[in-house]
Amino acid sequence: DTEVTQTPKHLVMGMTNKKSLKCEQHMGHRAMYWYKQKAKKPPELMFVYSYEKLSINESVPSRFSPECPNSSLLNLHLHALQPEDSALYLCASSQVTVTGKLFFGSGTQLSVL
Amino acid sequence: DAKTTQPTSMDCAEGRAANLPCNHSTISGNEYVYWYRQIHSQGPQYIIHGLKNNETNEMASLIITEDRKSSTLILPHATLRDTAVYYCIVIAGGTSYGKLTFGQGTILTVHP
Repeated sequence: DTEVTQTPKHLVMGMTNKKSLKCEQHMGHRAMYWYKQKAKKPPELMFVYSYEKLSINESVPSRFSPECPNSSLLNLHLHALQPEDSALYLCASSQVTVTGKLFFGSGTQLSVL
Repeated sequence: DAKTTQPTSMDCAEGRAANLPCNHSTISGNEYVYWYRQIHSQGPQYIIHGLKNNETNEMASLIITEDRKSSTLILPHATLRDTAVYYCIVIAGGTSYGKLTFGQGTILTVHP
């Protein structure tokens, strides 16, 4: 199984809502990532988890709150988002020792109204 | 990580080889060259990577020049499903924590 599964595939939320994005992998990878991709732009790194601990936060606003409850799951909690946060949110995983070979999910397309 | 430069777009006829160049003239000795592609509405997909030797797998071949300042990704028999944005990424081995810096990439369009 070389799949990273993200749910939901599409999400529409208001600026006062709280929602969560979910990501799951069963490849035994101990590194997991959140990337953000605006329309017609390349993906940009948001967070890195290594062994279930947050190791990199790329100065992401606090309205984005990541969580790694176990080695297979990664969540991104969203609260009080702005319309400019509308984007494709991509989850990825990798072996900790081969840090350039990432497996990406298909992403969650988020629209903030 | 070293900066990469790729052509904005390229075309290729179906069944022909697609050769996608990448310039990484400031690459350091411990930095690898990785290639990913992103088909519309999907997440990026790993293709291949290398340090200094040429590499081949079931998807593509990677040719790295002897001075390591440039590389070429070769799709030997392009199909319509290979139409995608192709990203060349340079990343240091071991300690980069999957911190991929995507450039603008090359939009490859494969024509019938």
